[in-house]
Amino acid sequence: DIQMTQSPSSLSASVGDRVTITCQASQDIRNYLNWYQHKPGKAPKLLIYAASNLQAGVPSRFSGSRSGTDFTFTISSLQPEDIATYYCQQYDSLPPYTFGQGTKLEI
Amino acid sequence: EVQLLESGGGLVQPGVSLRLSCAASGFTFTSYAMSWVRQAPGKGLEWVSTISGSGSGTYYADSVKGRVTVSRDNSKNTLYLQMNSLRAEDTAVYYCARLNYGSETVWGQGTLVTVSS
Repeated sequence: DIQMTQSPSSLSASVGDRVTITCQASQDIRNYLNWYQHKPGKAPKLLIYAASNLQAGVPSRFSGSRSGTDFTFTISSLQPEDIATYYCQQYDSLPPYTFGQGTKLEI
Repeated sequence: EVQLLESGGGLVQPGVSLRLSCAASGFTFTSYAMSWVRQAPGKGLEWVSTISGSGSGTYYADSVKGRVTVSRDNSKNTLYLQMNSLRAEDTAVYYCARLNYGSETVWGQGTLVTVSS
């Protein structure tokens, strides 16, 4: 099974900061990676699909990139409403569709 | 509008069975594989199971294999998760989701399952 190693597990930043989260896949998953924002009591919200594509309606301060099996998620200028836990999730080929361990973002 | 609505959660005792349902609307249900994902209290998201659009292919996480059965009724646009021999560690919010379709990824709001005596 494909393993996703996400880091850091938690992150404290200030409004306006640039924030970066990484995920490393244990094998090639091509571009089949989603990034989600998850707030308590809500469904996870898709922000980025196919590693670097911004989901419709998502602010442009969110972005994603890929280098081989390493994936990076960036918030260019942190806003108060961005406080949440962020997850990567791979969906290459057949299940299991593994999630990263999550990054809890605090201000 | 694409919608997924889970139901069937609740407080149950260890060892009993429970069936979760997920009613889908707004899209051609048979065209999509569907998945269940859970989040235990204080933990991260965990993929549980996936079923192909036709229902012929099913996949399970090792943590639930042998105790859980995923199924779907395409005539009713409904996804199911039958959970048997429930344990305290199965306590979680269970989400149904269309997980592996890039921009077409969709999640339901979740249903809480609590296993406790």
